[in-house]
Amino acid sequence: GAGVSQSPSNKVTEKGKDVELRCDPISGHTALYWYRQSLGQGLEFLIYFQGNSAPDKSGLPSDRFSAERTGGSVSTLTIQRTQQEDSAVYLCASSLIGRSLQGGTDTQYFGPGTRLTVL
Amino acid sequence: DAKTTQPNSMESNEEEPVHLPCNHSTISGTDYIHWYRQLPSQGPEYVIHGLTSNVNNRMASLAIAEDRKSSTLILHRATLRDAAVYYCILKVAGGGADGLTFGKGTHLIIQP
Repeated sequence: GAGVSQSPSNKVTEKGKDVELRCDPISGHTALYWYRQSLGQGLEFLIYFQGNSAPDKSGLPSDRFSAERTGGSVSTLTIQRTQQEDSAVYLCASSLIGRSLQGGTDTQYFGPGTRLTVL
Repeated sequence: DAKTTQPNSMESNEEEPVHLPCNHSTISGTDYIHWYRQLPSQGPEYVIHGLTSNVNNRMASLAIAEDRKSSTLILHRATLRDAAVYYCILKVAGGGADGLTFGKGTHLIIQP
């Protein structure tokens, strides 16, 4: 079946430009997550959506980062005025339940990621 | 979320069993133990999870200590494709952080 897809797979941009990264979750999954992984580093959680709502945006690195989700499906992560330190692989994941009493058993399915390079 | 501790790296031979340990001495009663792995140049993938009892699935087995302060992921017969970084993660039922907290994981090297 169709998994989580992300586009573009690679994005090269110049410092100061804005970029949009897209995530298509698995159909029917309530929850959607964004992470980033810098070269040689672990995965850093950025933001989580339950439906179209993001209960906690405190993981976003700066106010240049924003994300939205529409129709309980597709999500877009936008980075304004990109900086070289934004270069990383941005990963999206979705899960069936998200935050709930059964959330401990919820498993996340990851997309292949978007590799962002800021020159 | 409670913290986990894993060895930085482990090495094994192809077609032999692999036991990947994880310590989580501050685990709470409602924390589930999840394992994910990340193959080179790919996003993480779910492997297995458990609460108290040992668990088996087509990918691996999870052995959980009686006091739940540690667990072991068991790959019964490693293949070259199992070379990856393995992450042991505690997930709180209900509230708590919504994203997974990935540590540094264990880099598993498989020798042919």
